[in-house]
Amino acid sequence: DTGVSQNPRHKITKRGQNVTFRCDPISEHNRLYWYRQTLGQGPEFLTYFQNEAQLEKSRLLSDRFSAERPKGSFSTLEIQRTEQGDSAMYLCASSSGTVEQYFGPGTRLTVT
Amino acid sequence: AQKVTQAQTEISVVEKEDVTLDCVYETRDTTYYLFWYKQPPSGELVFLIRRNSFDEQNEISGRYSWNFQKSTSSFNFTITASQVVDSAVYFCALSEGDDKIIFGKGTRLHILP
Repeated sequence: DTGVSQNPRHKITKRGQNVTFRCDPISEHNRLYWYRQTLGQGPEFLTYFQNEAQLEKSRLLSDRFSAERPKGSFSTLEIQRTEQGDSAMYLCASSSGTVEQYFGPGTRLTVT
Repeated sequence: AQKVTQAQTEISVVEKEDVTLDCVYETRDTTYYLFWYKQPPSGELVFLIRRNSFDEQNEISGRYSWNFQKSTSSFNFTITASQVVDSAVYFCALSEGDDKIIFGKGTRLHILP
């Protein structure tokens, strides 16, 4: 059983550019979560999906952020007009409806 | 409101010593779940344990043990006979269901050879 995978692992972009990250959950996990982790902090919840439905969004998810899970399998997180404050590790997790969430390796975003 | 507090920002111990990581939580729900995750230098979060609010039994898994006390809203984690490979950031976390997990700020543990 392969784990959660995320691509790319690292992304460096210039301020103002758009970026998109992908998350592939563990096969048959119907719930998928996005978190953001800044340096020295714990992960903070951004949003989650049950199948293709986006069920909750954090206040942290500004209008520049959008997440999709069109077929209930992989998910994408897009950040438009990136700002330096968006620099962080973006973590994806999945679960089968139980409370345990299994995390991917993350995508580290650096905005210059 | 949900909150997880890990008062210890950083701890250093010499290998083979025992070390306890503290965690205090706040929640208004009577049903909730507590977790510990490990984040080694590679960055990936590794799930260690989950406890349900209605099960206060302490748990031991090899060199790891967890002490859950509802009376003090604490869920402490002890590593016995620490090893260098235990060096990592450890996060305590709380969930009130199968949605988001609320994490503490983490405790960075250094095991010195």
